Amino acid sequence: DTGVSQDPRHKITKRGQNVTFRCDPISEHNRLYWYRQTLGQGPEFLTYFQNEAQLEKSRLLSDRFSAERPKGSFSTLEIQRTEQGDSAMYLCASSSTSGGTRLYNEQFFGPGTRLTVL
Amino acid sequence: AQKVTQAQTEISVVEKEDVTLDCVYETRDTTYYLFWYKQPPSGELVFLIRRNSFDEQNEISGRYSWNFQKSTSSFNFTITASQVVDSAVYFCAQARYNFNKFYFGSGTKLNVKP
Repeated sequence: DTGVSQDPRHKITKRGQNVTFRCDPISEHNRLYWYRQTLGQGPEFLTYFQNEAQLEKSRLLSDRFSAERPKGSFSTLEIQRTEQGDSAMYLCASSSTSGGTRLYNEQFFGPGTRLTVL
Repeated sequence: AQKVTQAQTEISVVEKEDVTLDCVYETRDTTYYLFWYKQPPSGELVFLIRRNSFDEQNEISGRYSWNFQKSTSSFNFTITASQVVDSAVYFCAQARYNFNKFYFGSGTKLNVKP
């Protein structure tokens, strides 16, 4: 499978605990995006990386949230001191800026990590 | 400010009916991109189409067609002769010129009944 993968697929945690999610983009995709999706809503943009540089962050990304992409490949999203309002599906997407194909800059989404905070 | 509005929360049709999903966007950018994605019950978002702001030519792909009108800031999606497999949530989205940020609508849930 050469698509975007996310781990874990499901996470249940207690309020106040820290959680970390991982995203493995499609190989050689230099752009990586994180989104949060709550029930009945569309994905909300959280942050964006081009290679290892975090170039855009949403105001939704409070100081409890941090994302990294240390070598420009996989990325992690950490939520510290989780709150019940953090319960959502966290989606990762990747894309390539290489031209020559109609799919350049097109986002390919992973299956998501569903977080439940009790 | 960037915003995407999908006013139709849920639509139900009978198989073989045509259905149009509406999308209205707001942006101050002159260069931007519009998208439609499908999210089937399995949950993974699937890309359907991308248009740039300079190309208002309508597009048809099989049973799918898209109508982009800058004058009304709309990018509507029509499914002709709907099928049960079209049942899903459909999202309209907008990206800025540099693809640094995407804005999604709240989605329209399409139910196609046999």
